[in-house]
Amino acid sequence: DADVTQTPRNRITKTGKRIMLECSQTKGHDRMYWYRQDPGLGLRLIYYSFDVKDINKGEISDGYSVSRQAQAKFSLSLESAIPNQTALYFCATSDEREPNFSYNEQFFGPGTRLTVL
Amino acid sequence: SQQGEEDPQALSIQEGENATMNCSYKTSINNLQWYRQNSGRGLVHLILIRSNEREKHSGRLRVTLDTSKKSSSLLITASRAADTASYFCATAPLPSGGYNKLIFGAGTRLAVHP
Repeated sequence: DADVTQTPRNRITKTGKRIMLECSQTKGHDRMYWYRQDPGLGLRLIYYSFDVKDINKGEISDGYSVSRQAQAKFSLSLESAIPNQTALYFCATSDEREPNFSYNEQFFGPGTRLTVL
Repeated sequence: SQQGEEDPQALSIQEGENATMNCSYKTSINNLQWYRQNSGRGLVHLILIRSNEREKHSGRLRVTLDTSKKSSSLLITASRAADTASYFCATAPLPSGGYNKLIFGAGTRLAVHP
């Protein structure tokens, strides 16, 4: 979905490096999410944010941190990357405000393929 | 833990045939959604069915939901090569605690051959 953009699209880094993945959206949605996808597995939630001041851990938050710099921007950081963080990372948004309440239909960015050597 | 499990894991059919994918889940839900993912790309929302609905249509897609069996199926009729993708079900479990999180299954890989 072109309304949700992620940078970079591909990144190769080394163990121990700090990495930041960025997500921007022009949909005006209040909620933003970070997921990771591993081969043969579904998406697993890392962090989610209801608004700028509300950040919540998902099921696999260890080793990650996030920052919601503005309603439209949500970044994911790997403080010290390790090889098992090699995965495809997706940002998503949803609009849960009335009257646009969506039952959490989510809109995904194109993904960032991260390789940690 | 994964809530939804799709079946089959992979499906290979010819153009024009129908494709049926199934999803089973474990807990009560608010709604169930189906998403499509083309290779290496982001997921695209296809259809949402609420827990009080039994069937829903959108174009060539038909989704059914059986809450007593905790299962759903996605039917794609008259498939096309462009339907080749992975299909994921995602459930919004209850209670939500104010947050309708989604739990994704591992997906069904559909290959439609010309």
